[in-house]
Amino acid sequence: EAQVTQNPRYLITVTGKKLTVTCSQNMNHEYMSWYRQDPGLGLRQIYYSMNVEVTDKGDVPEGYKVSRKEKRNFPLILESPSPNQTSLYFCASSLSGTVNTEAFFGQGTRLTVV
Amino acid sequence: GIQVEQSPPDLILQEGANSTLRCNFSDSVNNLQWFHQNPWGQLINLFYIPSGTKQNGRLSATTVATERYSLLYISSSQTTDSGVYFCAVEQRRTGNNRKLIWGLGTSLAVNP
Repeated sequence: EAQVTQNPRYLITVTGKKLTVTCSQNMNHEYMSWYRQDPGLGLRQIYYSMNVEVTDKGDVPEGYKVSRKEKRNFPLILESPSPNQTSLYFCASSLSGTVNTEAFFGQGTRLTVV
Repeated sequence: GIQVEQSPPDLILQEGANSTLRCNFSDSVNNLQWFHQNPWGQLINLFYIPSGTKQNGRLSATTVATERYSLLYISSSQTTDSGVYFCAVEQRRTGNNRKLIWGLGTSLAVNP
């Protein structure tokens, strides 16, 4: 089944403890991105990747890192999480960064930083 | 940047009723998608519809790109249709980013 898989689905952590949210897609998509969803603000893009080893900042990149060493994986790294990073996170992928195609989303990761 | 406005913000229906959700956008778009966010927070793809009309069971969508709006029709609503419906667009871009710009959603509650 074609899908985008995020892990974990739920995470409660403490301020400053490094964490990684994984994202994997099995559709051989080139383009991947991360969004966060906050009440009243909607979904906002954090980072995106056009292909392997090509990443760039979205609208709200502060406090996050990403890597794209393989085409299928696009992990989101929080080096020193803070309470303002408590949010619902989504990973998305699309076939291409240059051709208009549908975006597919993972199940979401609900992160709480205390 | 492009603005995406959805209406109504909230909607309460009795099971079996029909409804129309609207999405207005302020500029030309490459891509428009409708999503349903269920009570568990998952985003479910409903339609990829930059223009034209599509139907999938009780749901259908129409995008009139020249007039910058899209409509999502829900017929014979069921309690499982409850949740938030989002419209997201991708602006005709000058760079490489295929960022989706999201409306704030329509929160739908279907009562039995």
